[in-house]
Amino acid sequence: AIQLTQSPSSLSASVGDRVTITCRASQGINNALAWYQQKPGKAPKLLIYDASSLESGIPSRFSGSGSGTDFTLTISSLQPEDFATYYCQHFNHFPPGYTFGQGTKLEI
Amino acid sequence: QVQLQESGPGLVKPSETLSLTCTVSGGSISSYYWSWIRQPPGKGLEWIGYVYYNGNTYYNPSLKSRVTISIDTSKNQFSLKLSSVTAADTAVYYCARSYYDYVWGNYRLDYWGQGTLVTVSS
Repeated sequence: AIQLTQSPSSLSASVGDRVTITCRASQGINNALAWYQQKPGKAPKLLIYDASSLESGIPSRFSGSGSGTDFTLTISSLQPEDFATYYCQHFNHFPPGYTFGQGTKLEI
Repeated sequence: QVQLQESGPGLVKPSETLSLTCTVSGGSISSYYWSWIRQPPGKGLEWIGYVYYNGNTYYNPSLKSRVTISIDTSKNQFSLKLSSVTAADTAVYYCARSYYDYVWGNYRLDYWGQGTLVTVSS
């Protein structure tokens, strides 16, 4: 099964900073990667799909890139509401199922 | 706007069966896959399985022997049963819609319920 490894596991940053989170797949997955944001006590929220497409309603400071095995989520200018945990996700077709990265906690 | 809401007991005894229902509103349950995902306290996300509107299912191999997911299209609901639970099954359980992207052939979870904490304890 494909595994996703995120780095770093945690990250400290300040409002206004540019932040990049990385997700590495154990084998090539083309662009089949999504990113989610999760705040404490809340459900995950879809940010990016197909590696680089911005979900409707998500601010443009969020962007995704990558293909194959290496992917990044970038927040161009951190806002106070962006401090959360971020997960990458892949759906494998054979056998079918979702895999998540272990998460990256973004702290002030 | 599609909304999902989990319901069911918040406390289950060890060795018993955990049962949850997800009610979908604001849209049809047809033509989509519907997933269950869980998150143990302080840990990451684990996909449990999904059901298609026609009743087809697929489960995480690590849980397959204990999981049953079913769907009732007349009620716009789908359900999770997890048998022989232990303390390791204590988690927040989420239901979510799986959206299939016909352009790239990728799946994503675009709508989520708020989650419900299920504690396994005697």
